[in-house]
Amino acid sequence: QQQVKQSPQSLIVQKGGISIINCAYENTAFDYFPWYQQFPGKGPALLIAIRPDVSEKKEGRFTISFNKSAKQFSLHIMDSQPGDSATYFCAASSKAAGNKLTFGGGTRVLVKP
Amino acid sequence: EAGVTQSPTHLIKTRGQQATLRCSPISGHTSVYWYQQALGLGLQFLLWYDEGEERNRGNFPPRFSGRQFPNYSSELNVNALELEDSALYLCASSPTGRHNYGYTFGSGTRLTVV
Repeated sequence: QQQVKQSPQSLIVQKGGISIINCAYENTAFDYFPWYQQFPGKGPALLIAIRPDVSEKKEGRFTISFNKSAKQFSLHIMDSQPGDSATYFCAASSKAAGNKLTFGGGTRVLVKP
Repeated sequence: EAGVTQSPTHLIKTRGQQATLRCSPISGHTSVYWYQQALGLGLQFLLWYDEGEERNRGNFPPRFSGRQFPNYSSELNVNALELEDSALYLCASSPTGRHNYGYTFGSGTRLTVV
């Protein structure tokens, strides 16, 4: 019940295109859903996060869409740039889960110029 | 503001030895989390320390242990190293007990067991 499933595993998009990454969870107690961006040799960096009382959150070119009934959430990267090439992780947590973040398996995004 | 710092950056150990990894959280953060990022296995939760106490533990054997010091820095110890312990070990910090704040990660310690 702690699992977070992420897809696709990898994604190639042209510069200016839209990257879409999807995650699904099972534990209905999860109440915090962050996305992290990781570049090679670096630790993951918090990109954007959402709570289940909102259906969408936008920060710059990054948007999270959240569907509570389907237990799914997704990250959209608009106007993708070569600098966005990185691995993206979705995650979920709850106080009941002891504060730990449960991560999806990651999506490697490559933006071609 | 200084971020989360981890040392050493790289560590090479022989199977059966012990490894000690260190982490300094962001100033003002009292919670420290440890994660293992092994190739192909994503980020796996290891330990959570807050206010000097172990608050939660992931599904890892007891040879993975740690502690948090009065200044909130933390140490991860891995005893009786096995080849499959080779991974990037990430430390993160957050304000006290805030599960919905978002962690700040360090750049990790790359542990190689030969």
